[in-house]
Amino acid sequence: DAGVIQSPRHEVTEMGQEVTLRCKPISGHNSLFWYRQTMMRGLELLIYFNNNVPIDDSGMPEDRFSAKMPNASFSTLKIQPSEPRDSAVYFCASKAGPDTQYFGPGTRLTVL
Amino acid sequence: DQQVKQNSPSLSVQEGRISILNCDYTNSMFDYFLWYKKYPAEGPTFLISISSIKDKNEDGRFTVFLNKSAKHLSLHIVPSQPGDSAVYFCAATGGSYIPTFGRGTSLIVHP
Repeated sequence: DAGVIQSPRHEVTEMGQEVTLRCKPISGHNSLFWYRQTMMRGLELLIYFNNNVPIDDSGMPEDRFSAKMPNASFSTLKIQPSEPRDSAVYFCASKAGPDTQYFGPGTRLTVL
Repeated sequence: DQQVKQNSPSLSVQEGRISILNCDYTNSMFDYFLWYKKYPAEGPTFLISISSIKDKNEDGRFTVFLNKSAKHLSLHIVPSQPGDSAVYFCAATGGSYIPTFGRGTSLIVHP
């Protein structure tokens, strides 16, 4: 298995632009998570899906952030409009039931 | 409010010596604890875990100790190797199986 796949690996954009991060979970995993890593706050859970349904989005910082999971093999995290304070590494993770999570390599986002 | 706290942002150890990484938690509902290891430009990977019914779990050079009364766990690496240099995240879960992560501790093992 290729593991969790994220794209792009790096994204540099200007303030105000729309950013879309993509994730393909491991086949057969029924839960998908989006995390943001910063020096100040460590790994923050933004949102997680179970069987493609958003379960808890309380970690989404504000309305500029949205996430979708149209099917079991694909999810997006969108930021519109982006701001410099959104600069961070964004991780996608998936798991099957109570098992441990498997993380993707992350997308490093820089908003200028 | 951080429910899982890793109060040491960094730790430096000599190769061959013991590395001890500490983690404290505040939520008494947590009953399963995990350590993840993260190399630069990679995602975190699962390292070792412990259930609240145990106070020790060992896997090769890695041992996790849990002190429930103190709400404290630690990861021991013996002997430390340069390849162990990474960021280590402590995480805890309750009934939801959704882990809450600490901020991480950066371990540097010097040759």
